[in-house]
Amino acid sequence: EVQLLESGGGLVQPGGSLRLSCAASGFTFTSYAMSWVRQAPGKGLEWVSTISGSGDGTYYADSVKGRFTISRDNSKNTLYVQMNSLRAEDTAVYYCAKREDSSGWYPWDYWGQGTLVTVSS
Amino acid sequence: DIQMTQSPSSLSASVGDRVTITCRASQSISRYLNWYQQKPGKAPKFLIYAASSLQSGVPSRFSGSGSGTDFTLTISSLQPEDFATYYCQQSYSTPPTFGQGTKVEIK
Repeated sequence: EVQLLESGGGLVQPGGSLRLSCAASGFTFTSYAMSWVRQAPGKGLEWVSTISGSGDGTYYADSVKGRFTISRDNSKNTLYVQMNSLRAEDTAVYYCAKREDSSGWYPWDYWGQGTLVTVSS
Repeated sequence: DIQMTQSPSSLSASVGDRVTITCRASQSISRYLNWYQQKPGKAPKFLIYAASSLQSGVPSRFSGSGSGTDFTLTISSLQPEDFATYYCQQSYSTPPTFGQGTKVEIK
């Protein structure tokens, strides 16, 4: 059974930093690209970042480029996002999601339960 | 970036009704269109990929259609557990983008 478990959310002041983690199990982690998708309170879904299975390809939304860094440790089956220079508009539930690449259509087939990041003074 | 527009933003329906949600892309995305269901306080659940292919385990009352710029999600007979918000998402190009969501409420 695929499981994705996020951690690391919390309250942080504007300009601060936070690192989120996502522990994965139930699939061959290194074979799949992984993503972070966020949802501001009462709003829709917004893609944040994706990393390839090997970790050598990373992609970011313009809204976080230069401030967030996605990474993965394939020996620990864990995905990370380092979030720096946080702003109020980064307040959201952050989901990690597994991308299904084998079909060639690239949906996110499994999602974690999410972790809430609140940026406020 | 490709803009995804869903309509309606919300709808009220009764158990047993046939429900159709529309998703339009700002440019052609072939069939790189996925659908997700989200219930309050829960993570999104993957329903359909490639516009019309049902994910394993998703009830057959859900179906999708379309290609190019216009897509639909249809629930043939609405069940109590189907009341939720539905999102379309294009995986044709980076950045992947979502529609704004359609909330299906109980009439």
